[in-house]
Amino acid sequence: KAGVTQTPRYLIKTRGQQVTLSCSPISGHRSVSWYQQTPGQGLQFLFEYFSETQRNKGNFPGRFSGRQFSNSRSEMNVSTLELGDSALYLCASSLAGGVNTGELFFGEGSRLTVL
Amino acid sequence: GENVEQHPSTLSVQEGDSAVIKCTYSDSASNYFPWYKQELGKRPQLIIDIRSNVGEKKDQRIAVTLNKTAKHFSLHITETQPEDSAVYFCAASTPSGGYNKLIFGAGTRLAVHP
Repeated sequence: KAGVTQTPRYLIKTRGQQVTLSCSPISGHRSVSWYQQTPGQGLQFLFEYFSETQRNKGNFPGRFSGRQFSNSRSEMNVSTLELGDSALYLCASSLAGGVNTGELFFGEGSRLTVL
Repeated sequence: GENVEQHPSTLSVQEGDSAVIKCTYSDSASNYFPWYKQELGKRPQLIIDIRSNVGEKKDQRIAVTLNKTAKHFSLHITETQPEDSAVYFCAASTPSGGYNKLIFGAGTRLAVHP
């Protein structure tokens, strides 16, 4: 069974640009969550999608957005990039539905550097 | 809002010693507490979890304890080995808008020295 796949793995952007990151979940997983990982801050929750609907959102500005497609693949977009957006963006998929929380299966992440 | 605090941020032990990592959470409605291990350059992976109706859970050398009254939970690793060296994240599942969201702590970097 293929794991969670994230693309691109590495990217460099300049301030003011925008970026789109992609995540393909494990087959059969309908929940996709996104996290921002920075040194000392741990994993900051961005948002979670289930069956194309955003179920939850973290405390990030509106420059961060996402969506999920009918095949459960998800994308997140960051517009007007700032230096502080440099981070590893992790996607995780899960079988969990409703109020049940299950194991998250993480991708290897997309490392974004903003210059 | 919901918050998970994790201590210590770094922990260094000798091989064979025990290691304890502690987390506190703010939302009393939290009901699920997983621990993830992230080895250098790799993705986080679940190592153990506990639900709010259980006080302790063990899996070989690792165990997790939960004190709902005090809103804190801990990871215990016994007989540590060099391969236990990694960053460990605790998390708490918090109800939000009819669903749960997982809030992580800032992580503990564990170094096990031979």
